[in-house]
Amino acid sequence: GAGVSQSPRYKVAKRGQDVALRCDPISGHVSLFWYQQALGQGPEFLTYFQNEAQLDKSGLPSDRFFAERPEGSVSTLKIQRTQQEDSAVYLCASSLRGRNEQFFGPGTRLTVL
Amino acid sequence: GESVGLHLPTLSVQEGDNSIINCAYSNSASDYFIWYKQESGKGPQFIIDIRSNMDKRQGQRVTVLLNKTVKHLSLQIAATQPGDSAVYFCAESGAAGNKLTFGGGTRVLVKP
Repeated sequence: GAGVSQSPRYKVAKRGQDVALRCDPISGHVSLFWYQQALGQGPEFLTYFQNEAQLDKSGLPSDRFFAERPEGSVSTLKIQRTQQEDSAVYLCASSLRGRNEQFFGPGTRLTVL
Repeated sequence: GESVGLHLPTLSVQEGDNSIINCAYSNSASDYFIWYKQESGKGPQFIIDIRSNMDKRQGQRVTVLLNKTVKHLSLQIAATQPGDSAVYFCAESGAAGNKLTFGGGTRVLVKP
């Protein structure tokens, strides 16, 4: 069956540009998570949705980061005025409610020049 | 803040041997511990989880051991295969379905 998909797979942005990263979770998965993974590091939590409700955004590094999931399915992570330190792989994961098994997408590799 | 970390950054094993990957954690309030496998260019893939009220759990070719006394977690892979070559992360969660806090990862290289 279809897993979590993310687009684009690669994004190059000039410093100061805005970017939007898309996540299509597995159908029926209530929970959706965004993580940021720097090179050689483990993923770090950014934000969490249950259906359309953003229940935890404690990991967003600044107010330049914004995430939404308006209909409880597709989610978008937006980064405004990108900086070089935003360069990383952005991972999206979805899961059934209350389950530890999170299904990850392949990630979007963002490079800010 | 609280974090999950790993002892060894790289582990080389001979094909067919058993692998043991270790992880230390510091948050005594964690309720779940999970192992993920990440291959190059892919997202992490769930392997196995264990609840804090258990000390051992077995899956297919994998066993997770939890020692709460010393806050130590390990993943044992039996009869390691070339397809097991990847980076392995331990992670912790305060409750089932919550956000994950990952460690830094151990790279496993399987030699033919």
